[in-house]
Amino acid sequence: DAGVTQSPTHLIKTRGQQVTLRCSPKSGHDTVSWYQQALGQGPQFIFQYYEEEERQRGNFPDRFSGHQFPNYSSELNVNALLLGDSALYLCASSPWELGADTQYFGPGTRLTVL
Amino acid sequence: AQSVTQLGSHVSVSEGALVLLRCNYSSSVPPYLFWYVQYPNQGLQLLLKYTSAATLVKGINGFEAEFKKSETSFHLTKPSAHMSDAAEYFCAVTLGQGGKLIFGQGTELSVKP
Repeated sequence: DAGVTQSPTHLIKTRGQQVTLRCSPKSGHDTVSWYQQALGQGPQFIFQYYEEEERQRGNFPDRFSGHQFPNYSSELNVNALLLGDSALYLCASSPWELGADTQYFGPGTRLTVL
Repeated sequence: AQSVTQLGSHVSVSEGALVLLRCNYSSSVPPYLFWYVQYPNQGLQLLLKYTSAATLVKGINGFEAEFKKSETSFHLTKPSAHMSDAAEYFCAVTLGQGGKLIFGQGTELSVKP
């Protein structure tokens, strides 16, 4: 049983560009949450998707947007990249009815903005 | 608002010594509490969680944590450290089902031979 997978593993972009990160949830999970982990910091919640809708959102600007597909996979899009967007982006999945206390995390995508 | 404070950004212990990583939380309602471990260049792995059942929670790899409401604490312990325990540890809180996880800043654990 594959766990949460994320692609790509690493990504290098320049300021002003746009980026798309992808996440496939663990089998049987229908809820996907995204977190940003800056170097030396704890992860910060970006948003959560269930039934293809954004259900919760953290304190992130509109440059951060997402999408969930019918197969429960998800994308995180970041527009107009800033140097401060450099971070490890983590995806977590869970079954909606069991809640956040059953979240499984993927290995993350390391984004570097130059 | 919920928050988590991890006391000590870096803890160093000798192999075989007690591990104690401190976490205090702030929540207006009974929280769910978690400890995660992160090895270099990897994602987060759940060590253990408290979800309003037994206050002493046992996790993987010999770790355990005790929920103390009066002290608003959820400290992580392990009786005997192993070299493989060296990693970053995060305490997190959520209000429960569907809730977002709020993480502390993390504590880096070093284990000396």
